[in-house]
Formats: sequence, C-alpha cells, structure tokens
Amino acid sequence: QSVLTQPPSVSGAPGQRVTISCTGSSSDIGAGFDVHWYQQLPGTAPKLLIYGNNNRPSGVPDRFSGSKSGTSASLAITGLQAEDEADYYCQSYDSSLSGSNVFGTGTKVTVL
Amino acid sequence: QVQLQESGPGLVKPSETLSLTCTVSGGSFSNYYWSWIRQPPGKGLEWIGYVYYTGSSNYNPSLKSRATISMDMSKNQFFLKVNSVTAADTAVYYCVRGGAVVHFDRWGQGALVTVSS
Repeated sequence: QSVLTQPPSVSGAPGQRVTISCTGSSSDIGAGFDVHWYQQLPGTAPKLLIYGNNNRPSGVPDRFSGSKSGTSASLAITGLQAEDEADYYCQSYDSSLSGSNVFGTGTKVTVL
Repeated sequence: QVQLQESGPGLVKPSETLSLTCTVSGGSFSNYYWSWIRQPPGKGLEWIGYVYYTGSSNYNPSLKSRATISMDMSKNQFFLKVNSVTAADTAVYYCVRGGAVVHFDRWGQGALVTVSS
C-alpha cells in the first residue's frame, strides 16, 4: 500500500503564501482519484480542509486552496495567519491491493 | 450536526484484543462509509478500515487481517476490534464518517489506547 509523500515542514511569515506538495503514484492520485486535505491543530482531531481536489467545506476560509496535476497535488495557504500553524495531511484512494485509503506523511506549518 | 464519539478501554495488554465503539448521533447512519483511523503518538495518520452501511467492509492490508469492523445500525454504532495487539498499536483511534473514494468529513474526538502490561 502506498503512502503519499509530503515535505516534513514548511514555514512562512504572517501574510505570506506557502504551499505543501503531496506526491503519489499511478495507483492513487495518478489514477484520477481525488485528493483531500486535513488540518490538525495541536491536541485536536483532524478537520476536513479541502475535498475533491479544490473544494472548501462551509466555514473554511478562501485563503486555503487545492490543486492536482498528474501524480501530485498541492495545498496553498495565502495570507498566512498565526492560527494556521498546524499539521496538514493529504489523502487519496489507492486502487491497488483491493483498494485502500492512503494518507500523506504530514507537513508541519510554522508561522514565523 | 452529526457527531461521533469513541468509547472503550484505554489500556490493553499485549497479545489481547483492542475493542472500541463509535456512537453516531445527530444524523443518518445510512448511505455512508464509516471508518477507523489511528495516529500513534507524534506520528501521522493511518487508515485502518471502513464498514459501509450495507455491512460490507475493507481493511488496510498492513494490519495483516488483525482488524475487524462491524456495525449495529439499530443503535447507530460501529465497532473496531484489533487482535494480537503489541506496543506498536498504541495510538489515538478516531472514528470517522467517510472512506473508499469519499472524503472523511466528520471525526470523533479520538480515544487514546495504550498497549502495555
């Protein structure tokens, strides 16, 4: 079963734009399956941030956006705020081995 | 607003069976996938498996058939059992709505299960 690869950490100053990459393979993202993103604030459960590659649930600020191309996806945060300091995970579906949900390795976003 | 709540023992001995219950309230159990996801301390998320409201299920191959997920629609509950546990199964266990090609849109608060003698 595959695991999606993310950078361990990214950082930026307040107001800046940061991006988080999520690299998969031909059996998950590259096979056309959607990518979803989750935000996990310290000590809390993950929360859905982006679904279906680029859709925001109600209540998620439009500072967060997602994109997908080929075997990779990206999450962008524009106008970085202190409250965005959290762990972020991408997630997709892997069609190999009878199908599994797979998560990215996770990225810690630090606001400088 | 649908809510999920995990319950079960917080301490399990090595080689025994971990058992958790998730109670779903405020929404329908039907027409959804229901999953268990775990997170070892300081580590990332791992999908364990799902049960569909019809009763069908699917699991992460990495658990090597140790996990079983079942449900009781009459009680709006679904369950997780992991047998032959070791210290590597120590984690926060989340029950979640979603699975297969559907995103995870509702999460329980999580339950810490420690495997130790």
